[in-house]
Amino acid sequence: GDSVTQMEGPVTLSEEAFLTINCTYTATGYPSLFWYVQYPGEGLQLLLKATKADDKGSNKGFEATYRKETTSFHLEKGSVQVSDSAVYFCALSGPRNNRLAFGKGNQVVVIP
Amino acid sequence: NAGVMQNPRHLVRRRGQEARLRCSPMKGHSHVYWYRQLPEEGLKFMVYLQKENIIDESGMPKERFSAEFPKEGPSILRIQQVVRGDSAAYFCASSPSGTGSFGETQYFGPGTRLLVL
Repeated sequence: GDSVTQMEGPVTLSEEAFLTINCTYTATGYPSLFWYVQYPGEGLQLLLKATKADDKGSNKGFEATYRKETTSFHLEKGSVQVSDSAVYFCALSGPRNNRLAFGKGNQVVVIP
Repeated sequence: NAGVMQNPRHLVRRRGQEARLRCSPMKGHSHVYWYRQLPEEGLKFMVYLQKENIIDESGMPKERFSAEFPKEGPSILRIQQVVRGDSAAYFCASSPSGTGSFGETQYFGPGTRLLVL
């Protein structure tokens, strides 16, 4: 079935550092890809998405490019802020169903 | 435009009791999804409903769990005879038309955190 794999473990970095969170997927056909962010005690908010190969999603300084050849959708931000501290989830929805498949998430902690 | 609303936000039940979780989708949305987030894990799909119809329940446990989305009122996720393993955060999401194959965004509520004692 469809699945998403995120890099293991939390990410701790200093303010203004470069952030990368890896995400790879397995899916039948051509899925749509998403990054969601979850702040403590809250629900998930859509951060960005891409619906076809080579599309780049971007929002609030975050970017991710849909790479069909490597089945990846890595999240990047050039200069993080303390307010970016949250859990980030990569997800996909397949072409034949509406359910989202999520990765396990990565806790990001930005230190001033 | 109000977002997806869930209540209660926190629910405590003793083993064997029933838990009812409610979800009101965003205005204009007729598709509702339920997901469960166990500690230290990502979200897992449970069920997808439209008004008065269950479209996909492939993620629902076979026993004790049920869901409905009546013509009027919120969607309800019902857990009968709860056990400690049911302790989790339950999130509801909604979308306007359900065309997930075109990357339609699902909008999430704040979740209900269920604790079974």
